[in-house]
Amino acid sequence: QVQLLESGPGLVKPSGTLSLTCVVSGASISNSDWWSWVRQAPGKGLEWVGEIWHSGNTNYNPSLKSRVTISVDKSKNQFSLKLTSVTAADTAVYYCARGEHYITSLGREHIWFDPWGQGTLVTVSS
Amino acid sequence: QSVLTQPPSVSAAPGQKVTISCSGSSSNIGNNPVSWYQQVPGTAPKLLIYDNNKRPSGIPDRFSGSKSGTSATLDITGLQTGDEADYYCGTWDGSLSALFGGGTKLAVL
Repeated sequence: QVQLLESGPGLVKPSGTLSLTCVVSGASISNSDWWSWVRQAPGKGLEWVGEIWHSGNTNYNPSLKSRVTISVDKSKNQFSLKLTSVTAADTAVYYCARGEHYITSLGREHIWFDPWGQGTLVTVSS
Repeated sequence: QSVLTQPPSVSAAPGQKVTISCSGSSSNIGNNPVSWYQQVPGTAPKLLIYDNNKRPSGIPDRFSGSKSGTSATLDITGLQTGDEADYYCGTWDGSLSALFGGGTKLAVL
């Protein structure tokens, strides 16, 4: 059974860098899966942040691309998120998730997320 | 405001059926499959449907999905009080990003 667990500081100062780690258990991060971050601002909906393949290939939400870096550490079976220049608008519960993402010969792009970590609240405040 | 449009709320009585819609465009739902997630307040989202109409193991067949053109629907039959949650649709968009709908709160009255 695959499980994911997020960890990191719960409070980050404005203009600082948000750093989170997701430890994967029950599966090798080197499997043919994508590993994603999704966030949810208080009382709001879900927002995809980005994803990484074990080789290091990444895709990012265009609205966050200039501030986001997702990296993978295969030796520790974990992946990480860094978000720079944070503001109060970045306050959210951050979830990590295993993703399935592929393109068919017809050009259809399939993506879904399962399972998800429990989430960790990050508050941006001075 | 989300690119994928869902009704903010739906409601139905126990045992009844409810339908949740998700409307998009040719750049997202019109070209790519849709997934659905259930989020009980205070918990992480859970995958209910992927590839428009496929259920992961362990998801009861009371939950079903379909897609037509640029819209998708999630049907829940035999409603139970435990089904009260927020439901989100998701897909890939031509802007090179995964997208989620704004979410629909289901009340089982």
